[in-house]
Amino acid sequence: EPEVTQTPSHQVTQMGQEVILRCVPISNHLYFYWYRQILGQKVEFLVSFYNNEISEKSEIFDDQFSVERPDGSNFTLKIRSTKLEDSAMYFCASSGPRGEKLFFGSGTQLSVL
Amino acid sequence: DQQVKQNSPSLSVQEGRISILNCDYTNSMFDYFLWYKKYPAEGPTFLISISSIKDKNEDGRFTVFLNKSAKHLSLHIVPSQPGDSAVYFCAASGSGAGSYQLTFGKGTKLSVIP
Repeated sequence: EPEVTQTPSHQVTQMGQEVILRCVPISNHLYFYWYRQILGQKVEFLVSFYNNEISEKSEIFDDQFSVERPDGSNFTLKIRSTKLEDSAMYFCASSGPRGEKLFFGSGTQLSVL
Repeated sequence: DQQVKQNSPSLSVQEGRISILNCDYTNSMFDYFLWYKKYPAEGPTFLISISSIKDKNEDGRFTVFLNKSAKHLSLHIVPSQPGDSAVYFCAASGSGAGSYQLTFGKGTKLSVIP
């Protein structure tokens, strides 16, 4: 069964450093998303991406965040200068032409020290 | 601003009995509702969904009921099995242009006791 793949599974970084989280969505999907879950809190929407541009973003997704689809398969989330409060599990998701059903990756646990 | 609320953080059920997980929403623009199951160290896995034009959708042991007037939905699992033990998230979306971003509830941790 096709799946969303995320790398790395764990990322530890120093505050102020840049990180790039990588995702390979399901190959025929058209919509791509990043969500995050801070420990003990709910899963929160960050950004959606369609047709090579951001279609929606939340208040969390400020100027420190960016997304890119550098080639036909990868979808990345970059945090330019990490803060302690960026520590969370980051989930990539994708959905097909009808869009409603999102498939999630296993997540990248980001720890900012 | 909790647009999707799961008021029970946890639920324990005996194996073989029915599990009922509840979810309330406040945004009238939501028209598609999903349940996801999440095991530790894994991403949410899609379980079942329902469109606002329906009031019930069934898939094997899982049934989702939607009461639009009450802005309430529930997930029934029957019979419950120990492998169903996980955190269950209710999610909702409104079919706006461009994307189908989901708004999640905080989740309910289901424990099925053998």
